[in-house]
Amino acid sequence: GNSVTQMEGPVTLSEEAFLTINCTYTATGYPSLFWYVQYPGEGLQLLLKATKADDKGSNKGFEATYRKETTSFHLEKGSVQVSDSAVYFCALILTGGGNKLTFGTGTQLKVEL
Amino acid sequence: DAGITQSPRHKVTETGTPVTLRCHQTENHRYMYWYRQDPGHGLRLIHYSYGVKDTDKGEVSDGYSVSRSKTEDFLLTLESATSSQTSVYFCAIRGGSDTGELFFGEGSRLTVL
Repeated sequence: GNSVTQMEGPVTLSEEAFLTINCTYTATGYPSLFWYVQYPGEGLQLLLKATKADDKGSNKGFEATYRKETTSFHLEKGSVQVSDSAVYFCALILTGGGNKLTFGTGTQLKVEL
Repeated sequence: DAGITQSPRHKVTETGTPVTLRCHQTENHRYMYWYRQDPGHGLRLIHYSYGVKDTDKGEVSDGYSVSRSKTEDFLLTLESATSSQTSVYFCAIRGGSDTGELFFGEGSRLTVL
């Protein structure tokens, strides 16, 4: 079956630090990959996506590259801000007919001054 | 704004009582989903719908039923609520692109005493 594995949190960083949140996946087909973000008390929002190998998704200073050879989609940001504090979810959906998004368990990020 | 409204946003009920959560969309999208979010589990799919009167089970469907009599409304029913169904429930719609990203409502927090 399909699955997504994320690094456990919480991850606590100082403002302006470099962020990496690891995500690896297992899929029976060829997936599209996503990062979603959930701010406190809110629903999930799409942060970025990549639909094929070597694609780089980017948004709001965050980046992730679809690595088929390592089945990974690690989230990075060069300089985090307090406002980036949230829970981040990696997810996949099979392209070409997949109907269900499979999520990782989420990684909580806390950014301190 | 993806035009998704969930109701109620908060509900406290007692074990054994029936509960219905409503998801309403204004976007006329075909696919709608119900997820539950629990610590340590991320988001898990309960049921989804691919059209009026067309629904299918997700990974945690036991104890839940759904109905979709109109494109815009997707109802989740707990016939006899249990404490294990205390959770935050999210409705989502699938966007119009081929890449399959979902857009989420703000969530419904259900507490079963």
